[in-house]
Amino acid sequence: QQQVKQSPQSLIVQKGGISIINCAYENTAFDYFPWYQQFPGKGPALLIAIRPDVSEKKEGRFTISFNKSAKQFSLHIMDSQPGDSATYFCAASMGNFNKFYFGSGTKLNVKP
Amino acid sequence: DAGITQSPRHKVTETGTPVTLRCHQTENHRYMYWYRQDPGHGLRLIHYSYGVKDTDKGEVSDGYSVSRSKTEDFLLTLESATSSQTSVYFCAISELQGRSSYEQYFGPGTRLTVT
Repeated sequence: QQQVKQSPQSLIVQKGGISIINCAYENTAFDYFPWYQQFPGKGPALLIAIRPDVSEKKEGRFTISFNKSAKQFSLHIMDSQPGDSATYFCAASMGNFNKFYFGSGTKLNVKP
Repeated sequence: DAGITQSPRHKVTETGTPVTLRCHQTENHRYMYWYRQDPGHGLRLIHYSYGVKDTDKGEVSDGYSVSRSKTEDFLLTLESATSSQTSVYFCAISELQGRSSYEQYFGPGTRLTVT
């Protein structure tokens, strides 16, 4: 059973537009929700992360919105750029051994 | 890549042969993980380690074994490789802050093809 469900599988956005990727989870024991960005041939790299005691976190053009009651969180990329074209993964973890459960990934293509 | 190297970076092997992948870290982090990445599945945890000689299974551990004899090295072994184990393998490291979860840092990956 997949612990974290991610959508959409792929996303095409025009340059300057807003990219939105959504994730949902079931286990209320999760206490850390990171988003990773991965370029072809590279390992995933942390983009931004949030803990469940806040509803929103913003870093530059990237924002996480977190809805604890709905058990959902989303990544918003404002003013999307062609350089943002990559695969994005959401994840969730809890404190026991810091095991991560990843979503299935979203391939973002930002068209110039 | 946060002081994490993986070797080899690419490998082609035949069905039934044993394969060992190596992860080496220079960060002195306690926790190490092996994931496999397949289209449509994201990253799935194979095995993890919470200290020297301390390891446990993840969600897709069948056909894999691991060993950690030193803090800096975590080995993943496919005892008898099968075509279903063709994948990209990532190693990750992390620490915990108190009882809270924290970032995992990923290595560059190993692309394994089993023919």
